[in-house]
Amino acid sequence: NAGVTQTPKFQVLKTGQSMTLQCAQDMNHEYMSWYRQDPGMGLRLIHYSVGAGITDQGEVPNGYNVSRSTTEDFPLRLLSAAPSQTSVYFCASGKSLSSYNEQFFGPGTRLTVL
Amino acid sequence: DAKTTQPPSMDCAEGRAANLPCNHSTISGNEYVYWYRQIHSQGPQYIIHGLKNNETNEMASLIITEDRKSSTLILPHATLRDTAVYYCIVSRRDKLIFGTGTRLQVFP
Repeated sequence: NAGVTQTPKFQVLKTGQSMTLQCAQDMNHEYMSWYRQDPGMGLRLIHYSVGAGITDQGEVPNGYNVSRSTTEDFPLRLLSAAPSQTSVYFCASGKSLSSYNEQFFGPGTRLTVL
Repeated sequence: DAKTTQPPSMDCAEGRAANLPCNHSTISGNEYVYWYRQIHSQGPQYIIHGLKNNETNEMASLIITEDRKSSTLILPHATLRDTAVYYCIVSRRDKLIFGTGTRLQVFP
């Protein structure tokens, strides 16, 4: 299994540009989520999904959209990038609704918005 | 979800046990305690979790007090590769809310 994969690894955008960060998992996990991590800070939850067709907001959802059309993929869309969105983005997946919640994290996408 | 309090940093000599404390005084009965760590700038890695009883796996041990208001993660024989930020998280739902964690520095 490849686990959780994220593309691209690095990205530089100009203010106002849009882009999609890709996340895929091959473990048949129902739960997927997106986090951002600013320098020297902990991870903050952006959006999460408990299954295909179901998404919900986390702590910092503004400026980001998500959709979950398949179990495997959970893309994160930045509609109009801002410098405040410069961060490292991590995608994670975990088993279905359960109190046992081991999540597997991808390697991250490092995004810079100029 | 209950909030947690951890010391911002700790040091540990290589080969010694590292004991990382976590306070979660507002934990409710159906909330689990999870520990993750993040080595350098990699994605976080699951270590262990528990509800009431102490737990042990190949990586670490988790000691939860009887009132469940605090816990300790124990790395029995710390190595230089255990240098990382360790996050204590309390959650009953699928989402994990990370705090700022404890930066553990293992020195030779």
